[in-house]
Amino acid sequence: NAGVTQTPKFRILKIGQSMTLQCAQDMNHNYMYWYRQDPGMGLKLIYYSVGAGITDKGEVPNGYNVSRSTTEDFPLRLELAAPSQTSVYFCASTGTGGGNQPQHFGDGTRLSIL
Amino acid sequence: AQRVTQPEKLLSVFKGAPVELKCNYSYSGSPELFWYVQYSRQRLQLLLRHISRESIKGFTADLNKGETSFHLKKPFAQEEDSAMYYCALIRLGGTSYGKLTFGQGTILTVHP
Repeated sequence: NAGVTQTPKFRILKIGQSMTLQCAQDMNHNYMYWYRQDPGMGLKLIYYSVGAGITDKGEVPNGYNVSRSTTEDFPLRLELAAPSQTSVYFCASTGTGGGNQPQHFGDGTRLSIL
Repeated sequence: AQRVTQPEKLLSVFKGAPVELKCNYSYSGSPELFWYVQYSRQRLQLLLRHISRESIKGFTADLNKGETSFHLKKPFAQEEDSAMYYCALIRLGGTSYGKLTFGQGTILTVHP
């Protein structure tokens, strides 16, 4: 059971570069989320999606973009990488029963911007 | 807006001792509270949720609406309990879409 799969696991970027963090789930979940985890700050929501073609901003969306063309995939795009985006990024999903079900998390992507 | 506060960044106890991880929240409506745990080299996973009222790995948590707290407790800590623990909240109803609000996390270390 793969669950939620994130790629890559690690990445180093230079300031101004762009990249896409991939997230895929095989549980047919409608709800998907991107969080960032900064030391001592907990996880903060970047973007979320309630189904294919529907996305919305979370608490800290600046500098990021998302798309949801399929139920399975929810990529996160960084257009102009900045040092403040150095963080660990987690993708999560939850079932079709609605928002009060537990979320399933990926292993995370550790991103460093130098 | 809702907020979750975990006042302890680090908590150390000895094996067999009781442990309590504190969590306080602020939200005027009806919340659903969770504890998530991240063991070393593992992904973040659900430990327990308020609505289930179940004990997982010996941990329990009681929602105290008067004190707006959801502290996690275990009477006898084990070394394998060492991990990062997050308290989290979802606003029930309306357009919450299951969005989690996390606390800052507490790193629990259980010494032999």
